[in-house]
Amino acid sequence: EAQVTQNPRYLITVTGKKLTVTCSQNMNHEYMSWYRQDPGLGLRQIYYSMNVEVTDKGDVPEGYKVSRKEKRNFPLILESPSPNQTSLYFCASRFRGGQNYGYTFGSGTRLTVV
Amino acid sequence: DAKTTQPNSMESNEEEPVHLPCNHSTISGTDYIHWYRQLPSQGPEYVIHGLTSNVNNRMASLAIAEDRKSSTLILHRATLRDAAVYYCILRDIITQGGSEKLVFGKGTKLTVNP
Repeated sequence: EAQVTQNPRYLITVTGKKLTVTCSQNMNHEYMSWYRQDPGLGLRQIYYSMNVEVTDKGDVPEGYKVSRKEKRNFPLILESPSPNQTSLYFCASRFRGGQNYGYTFGSGTRLTVV
Repeated sequence: DAKTTQPNSMESNEEEPVHLPCNHSTISGTDYIHWYRQLPSQGPEYVIHGLTSNVNNRMASLAIAEDRKSSTLILHRATLRDAAVYYCILRDIITQGGSEKLVFGKGTKLTVNP
């Protein structure tokens, strides 16, 4: 089944403890993105990648890192999580062929930082 | 990305058609109209997109006004599973400066009554 897989689905962690949220897609998509969703603020893009080793900042990149060493994987790294990074996170991917292609989203990772 | 305007909420009865409107008066000639929906506790899901002509797929139909300043997502027979937040998003066919993101507004929350 074509899908975007995120892990973990739920995570509670403490301030300052480094964590990684993994994202993997099996559709050979070039474009991948990370979004966070917060009440009243909607979905906002954190980082995106247009291909292997090509990444760029979205609208809210502070406190996050990403890497794209392989086409299928796009992990989101929080080096020193803080409570304001408590949020619902979504990874998404799409084929690169122009705006004629929609994004496939993962099921989300609910992160709580205490 | 150009701005879209959608009603905050709409209600429908099961097995009846639903017409979800979207206004995009500042749409440019190179903007695609994309629709996504987000079911409770899930990631956004691509529904349909179009440029100028009306479009149909297995999920829905998209009717685009002749001047392209508005569009309507049509669910032909609403089911309880269609209860979700529906987002209308404009995507420029020309990726400006390499930026690649979806700009989500607040969307329309659709309630389907049994």
